[in-house]
Amino acid sequence: QSVLTQPASVSGSPGQSLTISCTGTSNDVGRYNYVSWYQQHPDKAPTLVIFDVSQRPSGVSDRFSGSKSDTTASLTISGLQAEDEADYYCTSYTTSYTGSSTYVFGTGTKVTVL
Amino acid sequence: QVQLQESGPGLMKPSGTLSLICAVSGDSIISSHYYSWVRQTPGKGLEWIGEIYHRGNTNYNVSLKSRVTMSVDKTKNQVSLQLSYVTAADTAIYYCVRNGRFYFDTWGQGNLVIVSS
Repeated sequence: QSVLTQPASVSGSPGQSLTISCTGTSNDVGRYNYVSWYQQHPDKAPTLVIFDVSQRPSGVSDRFSGSKSDTTASLTISGLQAEDEADYYCTSYTTSYTGSSTYVFGTGTKVTVL
Repeated sequence: QVQLQESGPGLMKPSGTLSLICAVSGDSIISSHYYSWVRQTPGKGLEWIGEIYHRGNTNYNVSLKSRVTMSVDKTKNQVSLQLSYVTAADTAIYYCVRNGRFYFDTWGQGNLVIVSS
C-alpha cells in the first residue's frame, strides 16, 4: 500500500509561519478532496486539525489552514506557538484496486518550535 | 462528547489472534458513523486497518484483509477487532477511531500490543 510523502521535520520560530507538504498520487490526493490532517503530541492520540482539504473542526485554532494543488496537499501553521510542537500526519481517502474504500496516511512530520 | 476506550492484551505470542474491544460512550453505535481501527508503529507510522458500520458493512485494508475481522455489538455499544496469525510486525499501538464523512474525528487513547515469544 502506498503512503503519502511528508518531510521528516520542519522548524520555525514563535510567530512565524510554516508549511508541511503531503505528496500523493493521482489516485488519492489528486483525485479526491478528502485530505485530512492530524496533530499528535508525545504519548497522546492524534487529533483532527483539518478535514476535506481546508475545513477546520470546531475548536481548532484558525492559525491552522489547509490547501491542495494537484497531488500535493499542504498544512500551514501561522503565528507559530510552543504548543504547536508535535508530529503532524496527513491522510487521504481513496479506493483500492478492488474498488473498496481505503485510507492512506502520510509518513509524518515533526514540527519543532525553536 | 463521544469517547472511545480500547481494551485488550498488552502482550501476546506470535501466531495467535489479537482481539481488541472499543467501548463507545457519548454516542450510539447505530448513529450514522463508521468506526475504524488504525495502528501506529515506530517503523511504518500510521496504518488504517479497516472500518465497520453498525449494519455490518466493512472495508478492510487490502494488505491485511486476509487476517482481519471487525464486528459490532449493538447491545454493548462496542466495536471489536480481530487480527489473526500475528507476528512481531503487528506490534503497535491500536487506536479505535470514529469516522467523519472521509476523515477521523475522534480517537481513543490507544492500546499498545506487543507480539513476542
